[in-house]
Amino acid sequence: AQSVTQPDIHITVSEGASLELRCNYSYGATPYLFWYVQSPGQGLQLLLKYFSGDTLVQGIKGFEAEFKRSQSSFNLRKPSVHWSDAAEYFCAVGATGANNLFFGTGTRLTVIP
Amino acid sequence: SQTIHQWPATLVQPVGSPLSLECTVEGTSNPNLYWYRQAAGRGLQLLFYSVGIGQISSEVPQNLSASRPQDRQFILSSKKLLLSDSGFYLCAWSVSGPPQPQHFGDGTRLSIL
Repeated sequence: AQSVTQPDIHITVSEGASLELRCNYSYGATPYLFWYVQSPGQGLQLLLKYFSGDTLVQGIKGFEAEFKRSQSSFNLRKPSVHWSDAAEYFCAVGATGANNLFFGTGTRLTVIP
Repeated sequence: SQTIHQWPATLVQPVGSPLSLECTVEGTSNPNLYWYRQAAGRGLQLLFYSVGIGQISSEVPQNLSASRPQDRQFILSSKKLLLSDSGFYLCAWSVSGPPQPQHFGDGTRLSIL
């Protein structure tokens, strides 16, 4: 069965600092991986996705993520965080033959000036 | 372009009252549709998904039910609400043929008194 672990419940970074949010997945075959962002009281917005090919994926809002099969990871990165990036971030995995995605429990990002 | 509408945005209901939340998608045909619940500070719990009219899969036994009377309409219902039904309810759609990114509505904040 598929599963996703986001080890960090809450991360605080200074504005302008770099960011890395961790995501580990469990799935026997090649996974389909996603990162979403959720602002308070809002729905989830897709940041980026990985299906196959280049393991470094570029997304919206300056985010990127790298798929590392050997580590079963799909970490989200941003070189310089803006105050508007403060939100909840969710990693998700999909599997061939499954109709739904499996979401991690999320990482809340706080950005301090 | 595709859009998803979810209403109402906020709802306050007494215990034991019925519930009907509606979600509609525009700009696509035969989407997969999903209902999630998000408890405060928690991740997403998949409640129901549908791959076609009248086809509903339930992921968690509970006090809720879902229906899909039209291709792009998904309804979440309850005959008698419980206190534990409080939460943030999110509707999502994806292109059929898994796995695909899911696109979320803005959610409904449900408070049970």
